[in-house]
Amino acid sequence: DSGVTQTPKHLITATGQRVTLRCSPRSGDLSVYWYQQSLDQGLQFLIQYYNGEERAKGNILERFSAQQFPDLHSELNLSSLELGDSALYFCASSLRGANTEAFFGQGTRLTVV
Amino acid sequence: SQQGEEDPQALSIQEGENATMNCSYKTSINNLQWYRQNSGRGLVHLILIRSNEREKHSGRLRVTLDTSKKSSSLLITASRAADTASYFCATDDGSSNTGKLIFGQGTTLQVKP
Repeated sequence: DSGVTQTPKHLITATGQRVTLRCSPRSGDLSVYWYQQSLDQGLQFLIQYYNGEERAKGNILERFSAQQFPDLHSELNLSSLELGDSALYFCASSLRGANTEAFFGQGTRLTVV
Repeated sequence: SQQGEEDPQALSIQEGENATMNCSYKTSINNLQWYRQNSGRGLVHLILIRSNEREKHSGRLRVTLDTSKKSSSLLITASRAADTASYFCATDDGSSNTGKLIFGQGTTLQVKP
């Protein structure tokens, strides 16, 4: 158990819908990351927050947004969902904002039908 | 985009044998990490090696880093069936300010009992 909690574990939704994925980082970790894993793209970095502020942005679509709240939990919002958004979405956390190991949650498997 | 390539893509060995996986990357880095992923589950951090280190050990794991060749290798000695998993190398983006990780495509290791 990494100490990172993601909910829900599975999500099935229709195209055009909006979903919210939630992440609770390990106790004491200030940084949260979101990654997307799909068969064709592999593991892709989406976004990083550090202590509530956006620190780095990757290949995150404009239809996607994220935030980190004062209690350090984070949410990833995916809207206008398309079939191609079906993937495993991972949250990870780390104590520091750079040059450090990351601890991953078990992921949310999103299926868009 | 992927930072690096891993070789081989798949590896099948007998229990007790050693397994070697290689990773190459393209840009300068501060550190390189190896992660393990059991089928469809979260990634588990194995080891982090900094750019000024050449070799690091952790239990049955040995990681080497050659920054002049932009390559790393992961050696698992005396493999066990429980080592069956996908192994990913990940690098930072060379910035000292973010914890963003860029993953390779991974090596799928099967250890036969």
